Amino acid sequence: QSALTQPASVSGSPGQSITISCTGTSSDVGGYNYVSWYQQHPGKAPKLMIYEVSNRPSGVPDRFSGSKSGNTASLTISGLQAEDEADYYCSSYTSSRVVFGGGTKLTVL
Amino acid sequence: QVQLQESGPGLVKPSQTLSLTCTVSGGSISSGSYYWSWIRQPAGKGLEWIGRIYTSGSTNYNPSLKSRVTISVDTSKNQFSLKLSSVTAADTAVYYCARDWGPRRGDAFDIWGQGTMVTVSS
Repeated sequence: QSALTQPASVSGSPGQSITISCTGTSSDVGGYNYVSWYQQHPGKAPKLMIYEVSNRPSGVPDRFSGSKSGNTASLTISGLQAEDEADYYCSSYTSSRVVFGGGTKLTVL
Repeated sequence: QVQLQESGPGLVKPSQTLSLTCTVSGGSISSGSYYWSWIRQPAGKGLEWIGRIYTSGSTNYNPSLKSRVTISVDTSKNQFSLKLSSVTAADTAVYYCARDWGPRRGDAFDIWGQGTMVTVSS
């Protein structure tokens, strides 16, 4: 059982927006602004998409955005594109270690 | 452009020790105040953080694996390594090494190796 809870799957049509939630506790997500999001295509290594809740690394499209409210962080992808279909994982710092969510499979219909 | 590459045996027998090395190229492992982490992913499952090391030798481990894990660093070779003892089939996974911004800089993993599959089987 993962430390952070994510929905197993979400879906959307091209051009639409989707949001993936990541729920933890006051000891991880709620306690620090150290939530990251990763995109993973099949057979590939994860790619950092969001760090420190809402910051995008250079090269990540601004269609990807992050936010947090209480113990729940969220990743929103607007203007869905076919290439966004992938698994998405959240992570958070907690007590000198890192915990991941169980992952969410995004299907672009 | 910093790159990471995992190496090590792809098959380990039950009860033995899994040993992997991550070679950092394109930059010094000692520069930039980064930590260096190991993360694994069983087939069809999610990511699990194993632990990390700073170039000073300071380490943090996942409590669920702490009794079996040792992470070390060799700055002269620009490498860091993972040892996982007393392995079982549950340790079968793709193992990734990654550059870790550390607990004071958001704890994000911005550069990953391609991953190496390790199977535990007799």
